[in-house]
Amino acid sequence: GAVVSQHPSWVICKSGTSVKIECRSLDFQATTMFWYRQFPKKSLMLMATSNEGSKATYEQGVEKDKFLINHASLTLSTLTVTSAHPEDSSFYICSARDGSQYEQYFGPGTRLTVT
Amino acid sequence: DQQVKQNSPSLSVQEGRISILNCDYTNSMFDYFLWYKKYPAEGPTFLISISSIKDKNEDGRFTVFLNKSAKHLSLHIVPSQPGDSAVYFCAAKEYNFNKFYFGSGTKLNVKP
Repeated sequence: GAVVSQHPSWVICKSGTSVKIECRSLDFQATTMFWYRQFPKKSLMLMATSNEGSKATYEQGVEKDKFLINHASLTLSTLTVTSAHPEDSSFYICSARDGSQYEQYFGPGTRLTVT
Repeated sequence: DQQVKQNSPSLSVQEGRISILNCDYTNSMFDYFLWYKKYPAEGPTFLISISSIKDKNEDGRFTVFLNKSAKHLSLHIVPSQPGDSAVYFCAAKEYNFNKFYFGSGTKLNVKP
């Protein structure tokens, strides 16, 4: 149980284009989803927290207009990187939790490379 | 200011021996702590957790110890296996908040 999927697993895009990453909870309803970014040899950096049906809460320093997060249903959240730049290249990971558990269950991550 | 710290970036242990991974935190409002294991290019997988009302939680080969007075937790893996080689993150959550704070990770290498 508690499986979270992400799609795509890796993507290469050109500067200036937008990329959408999907995060799905496959066997539970995720009242809250989180988006993280991991830099090489660094910890997970929380970008934003989203609750189903409401606007995401962004961490300080994360541009909400650049990283658009939508949590339209209890099983799906999307992260859209708009007008991507090479410095946006990173490993993006989502996680999800249902309302009754403290644990977050992570997706496998998406490797984004912007050329 | 990092509220959860893992001061050892790496640890090497012989197969069959004990692995001890350490984590320190600064926020006394943290009430729940977790350990995650991560392989390269994959998302973290949940290993074990502990509530602040306990000082020990055991699950098979994995045991987490919490010392609230020292604001310190540790993960013990006994016996260590080569498949345990991964990066281990500790995380902490503040009471009534959704947000988790992660340490920077410790890369464990278990040698056959």
